[in-house]
Amino acid sequence: DIQMTQSPFFLSASVGDRVTITCRASQSISSYLNWYQQKPGNAPKVLIYGASSSQSGVPSRFSGSVSGTDFTLTITSLQPGDFATYFCQQSYSGPYTFGQGTKLEIK
Amino acid sequence: QLQLHESGPGLVRPSATLSLTCTVSGGSIRDTSDFWDWLRQAPGKGLESIGTINYDGRTYYNPSLKSRVTISVDASQNQFSLKLTSVTAADTAVYYCARHTSRGPYDPWGQGTLVTVSS
Repeated sequence: DIQMTQSPFFLSASVGDRVTITCRASQSISSYLNWYQQKPGNAPKVLIYGASSSQSGVPSRFSGSVSGTDFTLTITSLQPGDFATYFCQQSYSGPYTFGQGTKLEIK
Repeated sequence: QLQLHESGPGLVRPSATLSLTCTVSGGSIRDTSDFWDWLRQAPGKGLESIGTINYDGRTYYNPSLKSRVTISVDASQNQFSLKLTSVTAADTAVYYCARHTSRGPYDPWGQGTLVTVSS
């Protein structure tokens, strides 16, 4: 299986801050990397697919980038509704695997 | 707008078989570009893919669960189903159904259903 190593596990930030979450794949996955936001009691919601393409309806403050096997989710100007858990997921080869998640909390 | 909805028992006895159904609305399960998925999330834990099926019944199972999993499709009912045998407490989780297209993200997801394995 392809291992996805996500960091940090916890992130404390304030409204208006810029934050970054990273995900490293254990092997090349091209750009088949997706980012999800999950709020308590809800299913995950896709934010970014293909490493850097924004899902329809997702605010422009969410962006994704890639460098080799390192992937980054950046959230600029944090809003109150952005405090949630974020997961990366590779869709290059089965079984599709997820990172461990990053819980973004209000400082 | 495509929507998915899981249904099935919320409590399963140890060593029994967990059975869930996902009903697809707002679209056809026969769409040849779609793959239909089961995933799960243990309480306070991360996400795990269980397996996937397409409209003509081709399946792929996570090797970690393959010996216990069967996913099937009923195109006439626009549904697909999950069976997981010989469950233990470690199978307690929120189970989600979802859709993906080839190498795409899981989208959309069902709302999830909590299945507890307990006597």
